[in-house]
Amino acid sequence: DAGVTQSPTHLIKTRGQQVTLRCSPKSGHDTVSWYQQALGQGPQFIFQYYEEEERQRGNFPDRFSGHQFPNYSSELNVNALLLGDSALYLCASSLLGGTYEQYFGPGTRLTVT
Amino acid sequence: AQRVTQPEKLLSVFKGAPVELKCNYSYSGSPELFWYVQYSRQRLQLLLRHISRESIKGFTADLNKGETSFHLKKPFAQEEDSAMYYCALSGTGANSKLTFGKGITLSVRP
Repeated sequence: DAGVTQSPTHLIKTRGQQVTLRCSPKSGHDTVSWYQQALGQGPQFIFQYYEEEERQRGNFPDRFSGHQFPNYSSELNVNALLLGDSALYLCASSLLGGTYEQYFGPGTRLTVT
Repeated sequence: AQRVTQPEKLLSVFKGAPVELKCNYSYSGSPELFWYVQYSRQRLQLLLRHISRESIKGFTADLNKGETSFHLKKPFAQEEDSAMYYCALSGTGANSKLTFGKGITLSVRP
C-alpha cells in the first residue's frame, strides 16, 4: 500500500487561472480531507468528503471546491487563483467512524505567479 | 471555535537534554488531541494521540483539561528527533476536522 498519493507534486499557475489537484486515499479509507499549508503555518482545514458529499467545510471561499469519486479518490479545484493561494495542499484520508487518525499525503506545492 | 496555540517556533537542545513542546487548546466539548511530526523531506505523520496513552519513540503527552494543555515531553532528546512538530485538535462525531497549531521546530544538537 503506497498510502495516500497526490498529484501533481508541483504546479505553477498564473493569477486568474484554475487548478485541479488530485488525491488517492490509503487503501480501506473512505474519507478524504484537504488542507492548505502556507509557508511557516500549520495546515488549515479546507473541507472533507465522505460518500461523494462535502461533509465539513472550513473557512475558505467558494472558489475552493471539491469532488469525491466512487473509488474514494478526490479532487480539489481552485478557481480564479490569487497570489495568496500559493501554498502546499495536503490531502489526508481516514475511516469514518474509526479512530479519527488521518493519514497525510506528500502534498502538492502550488505556486501562483 | 477550536484553536490550538503553540507559543514557541523553535526549540534547540543538546542531545540527552529533556524536551518539552508546549501546546494549549480551546474547544467547547471533549476534544481529541494529537501530535503530528514531519521529519525532513517526509510527509506529516501521527506521533501520538491522547486517547491511546502510548509512549512513541520515548515521547509522551498528557492531556490537562484544567489547563487546556497537551504538552509533548521526552526525557532524553536524540538527534533523530529533530523535526517539525504540530499539535492538533479534533472534535468527535461529525466534527472530525483537524485544527493545527503553527508548529515548532525541534533541533537536537550533538
